[in-house]
Amino acid sequence: KNQVEQSPQSLIILEGKNCTLQCNYTVSPFSNLRWYKQDTGRGPVSLTIMTFSENTKSNGRYTATLDADTKQSSLHITASQLSDSASYICVVSSNDYKLSFGAGTTVTVRA
Amino acid sequence: DSGVTQTPKHLITATGQRVTLRCSPRSGDLSVYWYQQSLDQGLQFLIQYYNGEERAKGNILERFSAQQFPDLHSELNLSSLELGDSALYFCASSVASGGPQETQYFGPGTRLLVL
Repeated sequence: KNQVEQSPQSLIILEGKNCTLQCNYTVSPFSNLRWYKQDTGRGPVSLTIMTFSENTKSNGRYTATLDADTKQSSLHITASQLSDSASYICVVSSNDYKLSFGAGTTVTVRA
Repeated sequence: DSGVTQTPKHLITATGQRVTLRCSPRSGDLSVYWYQQSLDQGLQFLIQYYNGEERAKGNILERFSAQQFPDLHSELNLSSLELGDSALYFCASSVASGGPQETQYFGPGTRLLVL
């Protein structure tokens, strides 16, 4: 069964600090992995998309890594800002267009 | 603003009823995706349409159906509603058929409450 597990479930960090979110998956055959940011009550916004051959991708202060051998990905947030407070969702696609979603990590940035 | 519009924003209805949610994709996008997000299930993919044809199917119940019209807008029909159908329903669109590098742009969602 295709699964995506994210950790931690939630975290609180101080403004200006860095943090790293984890995503482990068992989806096969793997097509791509996406990280989304979702503000409360709003639609998800795409942060990064990585295919099998990519092992790192950045979008501003967000950097995602992918290890396709160990089936792990991380999302690193640098110099966090209050606006980074949101839920971050990892989504893994298989070659047959099936999508598997993680439960998300809720990040709270405090001043 | 992603450019994807969804109507209505909120919907309150009773069990057993039928509702229709509407989505207009970004200008030029050919694919429309429907997602359900509930508190206990998280985000779930329901179905994708590409240029009017069903492209991929996820965890969509038989009571639910969707279609994409020639002008590329899409409707999601939910029938025989149950309390557990209460959720946020998101529509997303992408430029083509949903390739590995294609970004999906999400709408603001329709919040459905079944009483």
